[in-house]
Amino acid sequence: DAGVTQSPTHLIKTRGQQVTLRCSPKSGHDTVSWYQQALGQGPQFIFQYYEEEERQRGNFPDRFSGHQFPNYSSELNVNALLLGDSALYLCASSPGTSYGYTFGSGTRLTVV
Amino acid sequence: AQSVTQLDSQVPVFEEAPVELRCNYSSSVSVYLFWYVQYPNQGLQLLLKYLSGSTLVKGINGFEAEFNKSQTSFHLRKPSVHISDTAEYFCAVSDPNTGNQFYFGTGTSLTVIP
Repeated sequence: DAGVTQSPTHLIKTRGQQVTLRCSPKSGHDTVSWYQQALGQGPQFIFQYYEEEERQRGNFPDRFSGHQFPNYSSELNVNALLLGDSALYLCASSPGTSYGYTFGSGTRLTVV
Repeated sequence: AQSVTQLDSQVPVFEEAPVELRCNYSSSVSVYLFWYVQYPNQGLQLLLKYLSGSTLVKGINGFEAEFNKSQTSFHLRKPSVHISDTAEYFCAVSDPNTGNQFYFGTGTSLTVIP
């Protein structure tokens, strides 16, 4: 049974550009959460999607937006990239509001 | 908002020795507590969690943690470490009254020395 799949695994973008990261949740999971993990730091909560709507949001600017599709997969979009957006972006899926999270291996974003 | 403090950023320990990784959280209200492990270039794997009940929680790979409400701590322990335990360990807290998102600490890098 496949776990959480994230794509791409790595990418490099130029400051000011826009980026889209993708996440396919574990089978049977309908809730997707996104976290940003800067180098040497713990993951920070960006937002959570359930039933195609943003249910909760952390302390991130509006440059960070997302979407959830009917098949529960999700995208994270970041506009006007800054050097400080360089990080590992983790997607985690869960069944509803439970704590049965499964984390993906992440997308490593480098902004130059 | 919740916050988590992991008191040691790096912990070196010899193989087969015991280890304790320390974690303190900020809130005095009811919280759920977790320990995750992250191997290089991988996502997070759940070691154990405390939601309610017994304050001594046993997890995978021989790890255990004790919830101490009066000291707002949730320290992780293992009586005998192996080389394969070398990884980054994260303590996390969640407030069930505001949702199931996590607030993570900054991590403790455990290095097991042969």
